[in-house]
Amino acid sequence: DVKVTQSSRYLVKRTGEKVFLECVQDMDHENMFWYRQDPGLGLRLIYFSYDVKMKEKGDIPEGYSVSREKKERFSLILESASTNQTSMYLCASSLLGEIYGYTFGSGTRLTVV
Amino acid sequence: KQEVTQIPAALSVPEGENLVLNCSFTDSAIYNLQWFRQDPGKGLTSLLLIQSSQREQTSGRLNASLDKSSGRSTLYIAASQPGDSATYLCAVFGNAGNMLTFGGGTRLMVKP
Repeated sequence: DVKVTQSSRYLVKRTGEKVFLECVQDMDHENMFWYRQDPGLGLRLIYFSYDVKMKEKGDIPEGYSVSREKKERFSLILESASTNQTSMYLCASSLLGEIYGYTFGSGTRLTVV
Repeated sequence: KQEVTQIPAALSVPEGENLVLNCSFTDSAIYNLQWFRQDPGKGLTSLLLIQSSQREQTSGRLNASLDKSSGRSTLYIAASQPGDSATYLCAVFGNAGNMLTFGGGTRLMVKP
């Protein structure tokens, strides 16, 4: 089975800190995604990547950046964390192509205080 | 822009009932549709993936149908159990932007 692993289940950070959320997949998927999920707003795409060193903005990229130096790892970076970035962050991956589904990680609940 | 709607937003049923969750989408130009389950505070678990050329997919007590022309999908759960309690999300993968668009989810509670 494809496995998408997010390094932390829960994270508490202070306002202004630089925060790294890590995601690793073990099935050689080309595509990787970062979503955030908030009550009433559903899942919103922050960034995605379809290859190493490639990145594309999603619907809400402001305040975030990403890094994909290796195919299996996709990092989400909050340059200066703010309280409005308190959320559940979900990483996903998929093979390249329209017929493939997404596999999600177990999520990271980030609280910024 | 693709919009995905799930009705009802919440559903409570007694154990053993058969039930149907609904998903509708505005743009029928999709490649596939995926149903997910999410337990509180957890990530998403993929349940079923239906390609645009397919009409339905089955896995155990779950059956998902797709009517692309009318922009609708249903998830049928047979003989519901308390362990089925979760939020169910549908998502469509369309050719506008090649990204997954999610519905708001249906929160299901199955009472013993």
